Amino acid sequence: DTAVSQTPKYLVTQMGNDKSIKCEQNLGHDTMYWYKQDSKKFLKIMFSYNNKELIINETVPNRFSPKSPDKAHLNLHINSLELGDSAVYFCASNSGRADEQFFGPGTRLTVL
Amino acid sequence: AQSVTQPDIHITVSEGASLELRCNYSYGATPYLFWYVQSPGQGLQLLLKYFSGDTLVQGIKGFEAEFKRSQSSFNLRKPSVHWSDAAEYFCAVAPYGNKLVFGAGTILRVKS
Repeated sequence: DTAVSQTPKYLVTQMGNDKSIKCEQNLGHDTMYWYKQDSKKFLKIMFSYNNKELIINETVPNRFSPKSPDKAHLNLHINSLELGDSAVYFCASNSGRADEQFFGPGTRLTVL
Repeated sequence: AQSVTQPDIHITVSEGASLELRCNYSYGATPYLFWYVQSPGQGLQLLLKYFSGDTLVQGIKGFEAEFKRSQSSFNLRKPSVHWSDAAEYFCAVAPYGNKLVFGAGTILRVKS
């Protein structure tokens, strides 16, 4: 019955590799998000999709490419991973500005 | 610059004592306001939100927050803290659109 799920929960990889994180929500929401939480726990929005269309892109390097095959899924693909990409990535969803965002459990990415 | 400020990085309170976590924002119009809690290794859970109307908002787990327009503040309070409240607390605003901007977080420690 998980509302927003992410896979994998942990991801350890070498610099230069390409990896993907998947997110699915079963809440019927129209909008999905990716946030990055750095080592100091600072949370910052990366992307937002509404009905499969990109609506927010917060000057994230183009090595990061979100893909939304349908409005229940928002995946994050990262090319050429760098040490600075190590963080916890959270997926979230909601139905509009006034609606709370429901967060997934996070994916802890470690780049070695 | 537009921002969300949580001036206290850490707060320690005794179990049973009252709690207030501070949050200030610097957006021209009143944004939508939220408090989220993050337990270690977990995602974020919404405690409460304010959009309009009564400036004292009740949330889950016995938390409340008061919006003060004149001070651009949205402080979180709890009259009696329980050990299970130990976590990190994030204030967030939705200044426009669907974008959530987070404060840096306040880590709450509860001593018995």
